Amino acid sequence: NAGVTQTPKFRVLKTGQSMTLLCAQDMNHEYMYWYRQDPGMGLRLIHYSVGEGTTAKGEVPDGYNVSRLKKQNFLLGLESAAPSQTSVYFCASSYDRGQPQHFGDGTRLSIL
Amino acid sequence: EDKVVQSPLSLVVHEGDTVTLNCSYEVTNFRSLLWYKQEKKAPTFLFMLTSSGIEKKSGRLSSILDKKELFSILNITATQTGDSAIYLCAVLGSRGTSYGKLTFGQGTILTVHP
Repeated sequence: NAGVTQTPKFRVLKTGQSMTLLCAQDMNHEYMYWYRQDPGMGLRLIHYSVGEGTTAKGEVPDGYNVSRLKKQNFLLGLESAAPSQTSVYFCASSYDRGQPQHFGDGTRLSIL
Repeated sequence: EDKVVQSPLSLVVHEGDTVTLNCSYEVTNFRSLLWYKQEKKAPTFLFMLTSSGIEKKSGRLSSILDKKELFSILNITATQTGDSAIYLCAVLGSRGTSYGKLTFGQGTILTVHP
């Protein structure tokens, strides 16, 4: 009963380092999303994917890249981390665009 | 730009109280409004509302949508300490660049004291 799994759960980076966050879902969902959550700002959409091999920009895409090589996985990359990217990152998936999104437990990322 | 505003931003009550959380929205292409509960980790889905005036209910929680006045409320009766959480309201877009995207409000932090 895994649902949406995010790895890692916590990470501390230095400014300028790169890293990849992994999201995996076992519900055969077509749509996947990456959000960031900052205090007082709710969740904001970074990038999303409407199917294997597709990606699109969300509300706050700058400084991030994504890839969806397999239907079940959605990767979020930070090429050169900046302190402004300190946040909690959530991945979500949904069966189609009109259905509720199911969220993972989040990755807490701190950039020093 | 699509906008979702929740009020109050935080609320402290005692067990047994009834609370009402508010969500107003301004979006270009509305499909539905969703409520999520977020405890320590993942937001978990509560309700999806698409039609005006039809109450959705689950135990002590209920919600209703007013598409004319562009708002929704989430009611929790006989609150328990386990209801302490952040409650998130989000609007799902219906077409164009909003299609399938959720726009979230800031969230309401509810604290229930024993």
